[in-house]
Parts: sequence; structure tokens; C-alpha cells
Amino acid sequence: ILNVEQSPQSLHVQEGDSTNFTCSFPSSNFYALHWYRWETAKSPEALFVMTLNGDEKKKGRISATLNTKEGYSYLYIKGSQPEDSATYLCAHAGGTSGTYKYIFGTGTRLKVLA
Amino acid sequence: EAQVTQNPRYLITVTGKKLTVTCSQNMNHEYMSWYRQDPGLGLRQIYYSMNVEVTDKGDVPEGYKVSRKEKRNFPLILESPSPNQTSLYFCASSSTPGKNIQYFGAGTRLSVL
Repeated sequence: ILNVEQSPQSLHVQEGDSTNFTCSFPSSNFYALHWYRWETAKSPEALFVMTLNGDEKKKGRISATLNTKEGYSYLYIKGSQPEDSATYLCAHAGGTSGTYKYIFGTGTRLKVLA
Repeated sequence: EAQVTQNPRYLITVTGKKLTVTCSQNMNHEYMSWYRQDPGLGLRQIYYSMNVEVTDKGDVPEGYKVSRKEKRNFPLILESPSPNQTSLYFCASSSTPGKNIQYFGAGTRLSVL
């Protein structure tokens, strides 16, 4: 089983701070890297799907980068707000020929303090 | 409205009593998948389906069955549930696997006594 690791496990920041988290994944059998935002008592919502080495994606104050050669992705949140409090998940999408599996990391739990 | 609908949302059952959790999507998606979420372990893929009549195992398929007779439906079957299958289950779908986002259902919280 592939391992997808996220760090840190949890993070407390003050409102207005910028922050970033890391997702590490094996670069073998790579197809795509997904980022999801998961609020308590809700279901995960997709933020980004990244496929190419060097990809950068942005959605409002949140952005992500991808390095497939070294097997990592960063998620950045600029000027954190209390509503950004959630667990952020990354998932490696890939597999051998004809298979498409997802391996999720355990997430980074972000708490933004007002 | 684009939706993935799971039922039931909550279920308490006893060991050995067969159950089915239904999943339906209205987006004509080809790819559907089941996950379980356990504390400290993150989401783990149970089974997935690339299209009608095409299913394959994820990382934790033991004790589960699935079927994909119609494109919109992907039920999860527990033939003989055991307490270690107590978990939060999510169904998800995407138009194609990998390069398109997955839409998740609201989740089913299952307790097996």
C-alpha cells in the first residue's frame, strides 16, 4: 500500500496569519494529486486536482503547488480566517495500468483563532 | 443540483445481520467509490467502479461487496457485519477517475454491536 503523509497533523494560527501544509506521496504510478477541505459534520469538498509537475492552482486565498519528481505538494492559505478552520486532506490518485485508486493522507487539522 | 445521495445516514445493527448502504449520483459519472473513515487512519478506499459492471478492490475490501448494475447506483453490501466494520462510510463519484474532482455523499455512520 502506498503511503501518503501530511504534516503537520494539526495547527493553530491567529486570524490573519498565513500558513502552509505539506503532503508527501510516492512518485511511482502517479496520476493526480487531490486536495480536499473537510469541515466537521460535513463531507469532504474538493479544492484542487493537480496533475503536472510544477502545477500551481489558486482559489481565492488558497493555493497549492505540486512537485511530482520529489513527491510533495504544498497547500498555502493567505490571511487565514476563522471560516478556514477545517481538516485539509490530500489524496494520491494512481495505480498500475487500468486501475485508479485513491490513497488519502490523514489530514492537517487547522484551527484559526479570532 | 449535482448530488451524491447515501442512505441511511445512521445505522445501528447487530453482528451478522446483512445490510446494504445505498449510493446514488445524478451527474452521469462513470467513476464511483466507497471509503471508510476511522480515527487516526484517514479515508481508506474499499471498492471502486469504473463503469457499469466494472468494479475493483480498494485497499480494505474484506467483508464488503459492491455491485454496479446501473450507472447511477453503487450500493455497499455487508453480508455479515462485524464490530470492526463500525465506521463512517462515504460514497463518492467523479466523471473520470484521477483527473476530475470527486463529489462526496453526506456519509453513513454505522455501528455494529
